Amino acid sequence: QQQVKQSPQSLIVQKGGISIINCAYENTAFDYFPWYQQFPGKGPALLIAIRPDVSEKKEGRFTISFNKSAKQFSLHIMDSQPGDSATYFCAGNKVGNMLTFGGGTRLMVKP
Amino acid sequence: KAGVTQTPRYLIKTRGQQVTLSCSPISGHRSVSWYQQTPGQGLQFLFEYFSETQRNKGNFPGRFSGRQFSNSRSEMNVSTLELGDSALYLCASSLAYNTEAFFGQGTRLTVV
Repeated sequence: QQQVKQSPQSLIVQKGGISIINCAYENTAFDYFPWYQQFPGKGPALLIAIRPDVSEKKEGRFTISFNKSAKQFSLHIMDSQPGDSATYFCAGNKVGNMLTFGGGTRLMVKP
Repeated sequence: KAGVTQTPRYLIKTRGQQVTLSCSPISGHRSVSWYQQTPGQGLQFLFEYFSETQRNKGNFPGRFSGRQFSNSRSEMNVSTLELGDSALYLCASSLAYNTEAFFGQGTRLTVV
C-alpha cells in the first residue's frame, strides 16, 4: 500500500521557470512532512519540511504548500536553475523517525 | 560538524553470504534509521534505533537485522543474501524523537 503518492514522475522545466511537485498522503498519523533532494550517487539531502499546523513554509526559492483537509502538499521551486536538476522525494513521518516516501520526481531544468 | 558516515561505500557479495554495514550518525544524534533504495520499490524503511533500542521496524524479512551501540553508531546485517537484496542502503540520523533526518551517502550493495 503506497501511503504517499507523488506526481509527476518526471518534469522538465525551462531555466527561470517554476517547478511544482505534488504529493498526497493517506495516513493521518503523519505529523511531519519533509522534502528531500537527491543527486546521482548521493544520499537524499533534506531540503525543507513542514508540520501540519502550518499551511505554507518558504525557504529561499523553495516553498511547501500544505492542505491538511485534502491531505495534500506540494513543493514549488521558483526561478528553477540547471543545478536544481535532481530527483525530489516527499515523505511523511510517523511515530518517531519513520519516513514513508513518495515515489520520487526526476526534475530536469533546461538552460 | 561531520555528517552521517556510512562504510563501506560499495560492496559486492555472493548469494547466500551475509553482510554488515556500518553507520556513524552526526555527533549528538541519538536516533539512527535505515532505508533500502531500489529502482523498483523506491525508498523503504527498514528499522529505527534510539538509545540502543529498536523502536520501529518496516516490512522486511528477519534476515535483515540491526543494532545500535552506546555511542549511537549503528550496524545493519543481512544474512543469506539474495539477488533482490542488491540496493543502496541508506542510514539517517536524527537528534531526537520526531526531528529532521539527515542521510549518509549510502552503501551500494551488489549481490551476484
